[in-house]
Amino acid sequence: GAGVSQSPSNKVTEKGKDVELRCDPISGHTALYWYRQSLGQGLEFLIYFQGNSAPDKSGLPSDRFSAERTGGSVSTLTIQRTQQEDSAVYLCASSLGAWTSGFTNTQYFGPGTRLTVL
Amino acid sequence: KNEVEQSPQNLTAQEGEFITINCSYSVGISALHWLQQHPGGGIVSLFMLSSGKKKHGRLIATINIQEKHSSLHITASHPRDSAVYICAVSSYNTDKLIFGTGTRLQVFP
Repeated sequence: GAGVSQSPSNKVTEKGKDVELRCDPISGHTALYWYRQSLGQGLEFLIYFQGNSAPDKSGLPSDRFSAERTGGSVSTLTIQRTQQEDSAVYLCASSLGAWTSGFTNTQYFGPGTRLTVL
Repeated sequence: KNEVEQSPQNLTAQEGEFITINCSYSVGISALHWLQQHPGGGIVSLFMLSSGKKKHGRLIATINIQEKHSSLHITASHPRDSAVYICAVSSYNTDKLIFGTGTRLQVFP
């Protein structure tokens, strides 16, 4: 079956503009995660959604970052007023369920969106 | 101190060598994950384990919960094993991953 897909694959934007990054998880996966991979910081957690529970937003670096997940499937990560330090690869992952379901599952990663802020 | 520490940061090997990458963590975990990332490529989950040992082909992952330590072994290494190997943990009561800094492996023919 199809894996996790993300769009766009590359995004170049000017400082101060808003950007939206999209993630389509694997069908049937109730948990969805956003991570960021940057040269200076490595991989870091941003936010995750599990079913209808309130998302864990503890990794979002500032209030310029937000994410939503509509209908328990597609998710959009929005960065407002982008800054150069936002340049990174944004990765989405999904899994069958999160720990709150009682067990940990393998996370399947999408190919990422490379964001460059000029 | 990072919650997940990996060593070595860089590793070179000749084809056929036995390779070990180590990971130590300082938080309570529900599971430990080994991930692989090829240059310019996506991230693939190799193993998820919470106890004991798992084997897949030439790859073996072990974990010692008491010592908070895991190892990833590659037997009979091959140039196609060249990649960054990342250790990550799901801390107890949440599924968000905490990542190590990765080990860059290069295997030469």
